[in-house]
Amino acid sequence: GAVVSQHPSRVICKSGTSVKIECRSLDFQATTMFWYRQFPKQSLMLMATSNEGSKATYEQGVEKDKFLINHASLTLSTLTVTSAHPEDSSFYICSAPLGEGYTFGSGTRLTVV
Amino acid sequence: AQSVTQPDIHITVSEGASLELRCNYSYGATPYLFWYVQSPGQGLQLLLKYFSGDTLVQGIKGFEAEFKRSQSSFNLRKPSVHWSDAAEYFCAVGGTGFQKLVFGTGTRLLVSP
Repeated sequence: GAVVSQHPSRVICKSGTSVKIECRSLDFQATTMFWYRQFPKQSLMLMATSNEGSKATYEQGVEKDKFLINHASLTLSTLTVTSAHPEDSSFYICSAPLGEGYTFGSGTRLTVV
Repeated sequence: AQSVTQPDIHITVSEGASLELRCNYSYGATPYLFWYVQSPGQGLQLLLKYFSGDTLVQGIKGFEAEFKRSQSSFNLRKPSVHWSDAAEYFCAVGGTGFQKLVFGTGTRLLVSP
């Protein structure tokens, strides 16, 4: 069925390196992808909204040069955390509108050491 | 600006007892309302949603929710809780055109034997 496949599910990286998270829409075309961040025991906070073929819209306080979003095709959106630091350690989830609601990826647990 | 309040951070319910999780929202137009459940380290699963029509909506796993416009509420209920219902529950609000969702802070449900 139509779902969003998110990879990797877990990643550990060294401080200062970059990490790419991919979300692929399976069996449907995602013209819009929402990227959320969830810190431990907290809610999901929207980071940015990506639209296929255009620049992403970032929420206030989110550094667009640090969190690079690319939505080059209708089935793939990527989030790259550049020069990651321990404070970027979090759970990142993507979501796309689908039918009468939204479908979510399974999330990526990022740990920066 | 849209917002969601879930006043209960934790709730403990005995297995077999009834459950009600509270959700209040603020939204300038007709809201689209959602309840999601999240198990530890997992993505979000949709329990139910309300767009229009009957204000009592039925969802999966025996959950239901009632939209009360006068109280700006969308409380989630279940008549008999099972141990497998222990998880984090999020209420969310969005608008027409499937714009971004705003999530509440979540309620952690604990089920005691």
